Amino acid sequence: DTGVSQDPRHKITKRGQNVTFRCDPISEHNRLYWYRQTLGQGPEFLTYFQNEAQLEKSRLLSDRFSAERPKGSFSTLEIQRTEQGDSAMYLCASSPPGARLYNEQFFGPGTRLTVL
Amino acid sequence: KQEVTQIPAALSVPEGENLVLNCSFTDSAIYNLQWFRQDPGKGLTSLLLIQSSQREQTSGRLNASLDKSSGRSTLYIAASQPGDSATYLCAVVQGGSEKLVFGKGMKLTVNP
Repeated sequence: DTGVSQDPRHKITKRGQNVTFRCDPISEHNRLYWYRQTLGQGPEFLTYFQNEAQLEKSRLLSDRFSAERPKGSFSTLEIQRTEQGDSAMYLCASSPPGARLYNEQFFGPGTRLTVL
Repeated sequence: KQEVTQIPAALSVPEGENLVLNCSFTDSAIYNLQWFRQDPGKGLTSLLLIQSSQREQTSGRLNASLDKSSGRSTLYIAASQPGDSATYLCAVVQGGSEKLVFGKGMKLTVNP
């Protein structure tokens, strides 16, 4: 499978615990994005990497959230001290090098987080 | 702030109908617009991307149009099938940013 992969697919945790999600983009895609989607809503942007540089962050990305892409390949999203409001689907997307005009984003299957 | 709207939120039709899904956006300074399909509990599948300089794109039974000046896009689905049942989302890449700004989606049900 050459698409975007995410791990784990589902995560159930207790309030206050830390969780970490992983995203592997399509090979040779240098752009990587994280979005969050709650029930009945469209995805909301969290952060964007070009290679290993984090170039854009949403105000939604509070101090409890941190994302990394250390070698410009896979990325991790960590949520510290989880809250019930963090329950959502976390989606990762990637896109190839090139002008934004042609920038088609391809999404992974998502990680469903449930905070009890 | 860019806002994307999709109306109606849900649509139920009999099989075989030709459909038009609507999307509107408030700021016309976009790089492109993408239409996605999402099945329940799944990720998003990209259907079509229209660059800001283009008027339409076609893929199989799907045709998407873009009128940037009026802030509107439509997705046309020909001869709908039960397998087309899903939530359809449109999203734009805003000028000066890399992020997609999404509408809430439209849930389509095609009845056999």
